[in-house]
Amino acid sequence: EVQLVESGGGLIQPGGSLRLSCAASGFTFSSFWMHWVRQAPGKGLVWVSHIDSDGTSINYADSVKGRFTISRDNAKNTLYLQMNSLRVEDTAVYYCARGSITGIDWGQGTLVTVSS
Amino acid sequence: NFMLTQPHSVSASPGKTVTISCTRNSGSIASNFVQWYQQRPGSAPTTVIYEDNQRPSGVPDRFSGSIDSSSNSASLTISGLKTEDEADYYCQSYNNSINWVFGGGTKLTVL
Repeated sequence: EVQLVESGGGLIQPGGSLRLSCAASGFTFSSFWMHWVRQAPGKGLVWVSHIDSDGTSINYADSVKGRFTISRDNAKNTLYLQMNSLRVEDTAVYYCARGSITGIDWGQGTLVTVSS
Repeated sequence: NFMLTQPHSVSASPGKTVTISCTRNSGSIASNFVQWYQQRPGSAPTTVIYEDNQRPSGVPDRFSGSIDSSSNSASLTISGLKTEDEADYYCQSYNNSINWVFGGGTKLTVL
């Protein structure tokens, strides 16, 4: 069974930094592209970033480009999202996600609240 | 980049059939597969349709997906509505950069 467990969320002041982690199990992590998707309170799903299986191809949504960095450690089966220069509008539940031919597998999400 | 537009909300009575649309504003809807996700309050999304019209194991056959090139849209149809189907539904596809594009979501109310 695919399991994706996010951690690292919390309350942070504007301008601060936070690193999210996603521990993956139940599949061959090193074979899959991985993504971060976020959902602001009461709003819809928004794709944030993806990284290919070996970390050589990376892309970001324009709203986070230059502030967020996605990375992975295939030896530890873990996906990361380093978030710098956080803004109030970055407040959201952040989901780790795996794309497959049968759709997206989702973690349970971790809440990031940016507020003074 | 393109956008996917969904109705903000739909409603129907138990036992009835409801259809949720997802319209692509540029490029062909048929050029990239469309997926549909169900999200109940306080929970992560789950896949109900993938590759336009395929159901993952465990999803009842009351859920079906289709695409219509004439309207450049995808549709999720739920028949025999149950109260447990009340949730938010999101369509999703891919752009040329293999980024995920989500519709804005549709709140389904089962009256």
